[in-house]
Amino acid sequence: DTAVSQTPKYLVTQMGNDKSIKCEQNLGHDTMYWYKQDSKKFLKIMFSYNNKELIINETVPNRFSPKSPDKAHLNLHINSLELGDSAVYFCASSHALVASGNNEQFFGPGTRLTVL
Amino acid sequence: ELKVEQNPLFLSMQEGKNYTIYCNYSTTSDRLYWYRQDPGKSLESLFVLLSNGAVKQEGRLMASLDTKARLSTLHITAAVHDLSATYFCAVVVAGNQFYFGTGTSLTVIP
Repeated sequence: DTAVSQTPKYLVTQMGNDKSIKCEQNLGHDTMYWYKQDSKKFLKIMFSYNNKELIINETVPNRFSPKSPDKAHLNLHINSLELGDSAVYFCASSHALVASGNNEQFFGPGTRLTVL
Repeated sequence: ELKVEQNPLFLSMQEGKNYTIYCNYSTTSDRLYWYRQDPGKSLESLFVLLSNGAVKQEGRLMASLDTKARLSTLHITAAVHDLSATYFCAVVVAGNQFYFGTGTSLTVIP
């Protein structure tokens, strides 16, 4: 059973296109996240959702928009793709947003996006 | 701006040797995580450190946390080839925001 799944695993597209990456978790978690990992392996949080509410929105371009139809899904939609968007995008989930306790994150397998 | 720095960024060591990876962070936090990432793979949770002085051990890896010094260490004992991977620390601050370190790419040479 896959805990956090993402589709597609690979995505190759042209500049200017619009694309979406889907994420689903079956862990019953309340919070889901999107991370971007660049070519130097640096991981940066992009968004997180708690009970369908956006609670963290880092300084990412507004071409990126997270969409959560329910708490088990958090999709990432990207408009007008640019070369610099090429990276690996990871989805993750954890238990409720609390300031203490072990709300360990579980990561999906990643989506490698290549913009040509 | 919050900074989470790991040292070293790259580490090549021989099997059987010991070494320590350091994770320094610039803000107050009482929770720190260590993750492992194999090439082309996702991140796998290794340790969760929830308080000052916490120490966790699993096999040849041991992690510790000093919240006063804002420092965590990941100690490798008698390294084996299977430990070759990239290791990340992640600091959690208010609002459950995870900030990842720069990563340490470890290569264990037979």
